Amino acid sequence: DTGVSQDPRHKITKRGQNVTFRCDPISEHNRLYWYRQTLGQGPEFLTYFQNEAQLEKSRLLSDRFSAERPKGSFSTLEIQRTEQGDSAMYLCASSFSQGSGELFFGEGSRLTVL
Amino acid sequence: AQTVTQSQPEMSVQEAETVTLSCTYDTSESDYYLFWYKQPPSRQMILVIRQEAYKQQNATENRFSVNFQKAAKSFSLKISDSQLGDAAMYFCAYRRTQGGSEKLVFGKGTKLTVNP
Repeated sequence: DTGVSQDPRHKITKRGQNVTFRCDPISEHNRLYWYRQTLGQGPEFLTYFQNEAQLEKSRLLSDRFSAERPKGSFSTLEIQRTEQGDSAMYLCASSFSQGSGELFFGEGSRLTVL
Repeated sequence: AQTVTQSQPEMSVQEAETVTLSCTYDTSESDYYLFWYKQPPSRQMILVIRQEAYKQQNATENRFSVNFQKAAKSFSLKISDSQLGDAAMYFCAYRRTQGGSEKLVFGKGTKLTVNP
């Protein structure tokens, strides 16, 4: 297993454009999480899936943000009409639903909105 | 809502010395998990150590150990024999064991510098 992978690793876009990030979790894991991390801060929870069901969304996830996990495997996070405040590192993590729920993180997708 | 507080934005330690990073949390739950994660510069976050609240014995992983004080809601990380590779951001995190929100809640982190 190669771990959690995220694509693209870096994305530079202009304000108002749409962007989409992809996350491929560890294959045995049934849970997938999205977090946002700004410089010097801890990760902030956005949403998580168990299999294909989206079980929780943060209030941080405005209507411009949408996440999907259509077949319970990979997930996409789309940001529509990007704003400069969306600039951040978007982290994906996966885990088992049983046990301690230790999260295994990807390296993140860094978004810069000009 | 659960909150996690790391009161030390930055810490430094000499190589081979011991350093303790502080973490406090707020919860009304009786059972939960606590974690310390390490995030090296430009690298992915990895788990350092975990503790389940119902276990009284403090967790240890090689040079890493915790001081878990449930009544005080304190969960500090001790790094012994510090190495240059320990330099990183360290995040304390909380997760309830069952029911309701099962997300990990993170503190703001402590940047650890290891001086040669």
